[in-house]
Amino acid sequence: EAGVAQSPRYKIIEKRQSVAFWCNPISGHATLYWYQQILGQGPKLLIQFQNNGVVDDSQLPKDRFSAERLKGVDSTLKIQPAKLEDSAVYLCASSPPLDRTKQYFGPGTRLTVT
Amino acid sequence: QKEVEQDPGPLSVPEGAIVSLNCTYSNSAFQYFMWYRQYSRKGPELLMYTYSSGNKEDGRFTAQVDKSSKYISLFIRDSQPSDSATYLCAMMGSAGTASKLTFGTGTRLQVTL
Repeated sequence: EAGVAQSPRYKIIEKRQSVAFWCNPISGHATLYWYQQILGQGPKLLIQFQNNGVVDDSQLPKDRFSAERLKGVDSTLKIQPAKLEDSAVYLCASSPPLDRTKQYFGPGTRLTVT
Repeated sequence: QKEVEQDPGPLSVPEGAIVSLNCTYSNSAFQYFMWYRQYSRKGPELLMYTYSSGNKEDGRFTAQVDKSSKYISLFIRDSQPSDSATYLCAMMGSAGTASKLTFGTGTRLQVTL
């Protein structure tokens, strides 16, 4: 079974630029999550999708972050404009239907904002 | 006060040692308790999962949950160099604000030869 795929793996941008990350979840997983992991901290949930609907985006900085999940499969997370404090690893995870407790993570995208 | 507290380490032990990793939490709504292992430059990998209080064993790994003390532990027996990683505790409840996975900061473990 293929795991969660993410791209790119690394990205370096200057502040005020925009960036987008892509995620392809495990086949059949209806729930998709985006997490932000700052160095030395645990992952923090940014947004959760159930199919292509948003379940929880309470911790997403909506003035600069946006996410979509078209057709209930792939998802993109965008930051515009980026700030220095956005430097982090952005992790995508997915979970099988009816089991939020088993989340499978992708390798992450490491973003550096200079 | 953070909802989940975890000693960041680093923790260095010799090969073959028993390792004890711990987390405390404050939200009594948490019912599901997990341990994730994260190797450098990789995503977290689910290692152990426990529902409510009690023990669970899987090979060299044992997870314990004490809800009365709001304290969870992961024990690793006969530790190996391949166990060197960051261990993240995580927990969630059934509904409301506790329904999302909340992580500790992670404990970095180094197993030396």
